Amino acid sequence: ETGVTQSPTHLIKTRGQQVTLRCSSQSGHNTVSWYQQALGQGPQFIFQYYREEENGRGNFPPRFSGLQFPNYSSELNVNALELDDSALYLCASSLGNTREAFFGQGTRLTVV
Amino acid sequence: KNEVEQSPQNLTAQEGEFITINCSYSVGISALHWLQQHPGGGIVSLFMLSSGKKKHGRLIATINIQEKHSSLHITASHPRDSAVYICAVLPSTYNTDKLIFGTGTRLQVFP
Repeated sequence: ETGVTQSPTHLIKTRGQQVTLRCSSQSGHNTVSWYQQALGQGPQFIFQYYREEENGRGNFPPRFSGLQFPNYSSELNVNALELDDSALYLCASSLGNTREAFFGQGTRLTVV
Repeated sequence: KNEVEQSPQNLTAQEGEFITINCSYSVGISALHWLQQHPGGGIVSLFMLSSGKKKHGRLIATINIQEKHSSLHITASHPRDSAVYICAVLPSTYNTDKLIFGTGTRLQVFP
């Protein structure tokens, strides 16, 4: 049990739709990172939020956006879904200066 | 070439065998994580280390910073150890907690 929960666990969307994925971090964890894991691949960094501000971004287009809230929850929003967005989306929270990451169970998104 | 390489990609073992999974990386790092991922996706952090060696139960992780190499060892392997083991590094050049992941080693332990 990592104390990080993601919802929903599974989701099916149609190409062109928008989706919001949610992550509830451990209390006190001021840093949350989101990762995309395609089938058979290692996770790829999407972006990180620190104290509600974006603090680093990977090689993902602007239609991937996020929010972090004062209650340690966060969201990943993806607009104009494409088939290649089908993946497992993971969030990881940490106390920034300890660098130890705690991962959620992931949300498996399928775009059809 | 990936910045984090793992070997082997797939590994099968009989229950009780000693397992070694290797991770090599090409960037300077602040820390290295060993992670376990079971079918269904959830990732559990096994170790975070920046030098030396750590042990937890039957699991041992070592790192050699000069050689940019880490190993995860499983002693007396058990079928419940079957999972994907992922090495991830935290580059020292970044001011974020962006992890760079290897593609994982799929371990199957048979009774």
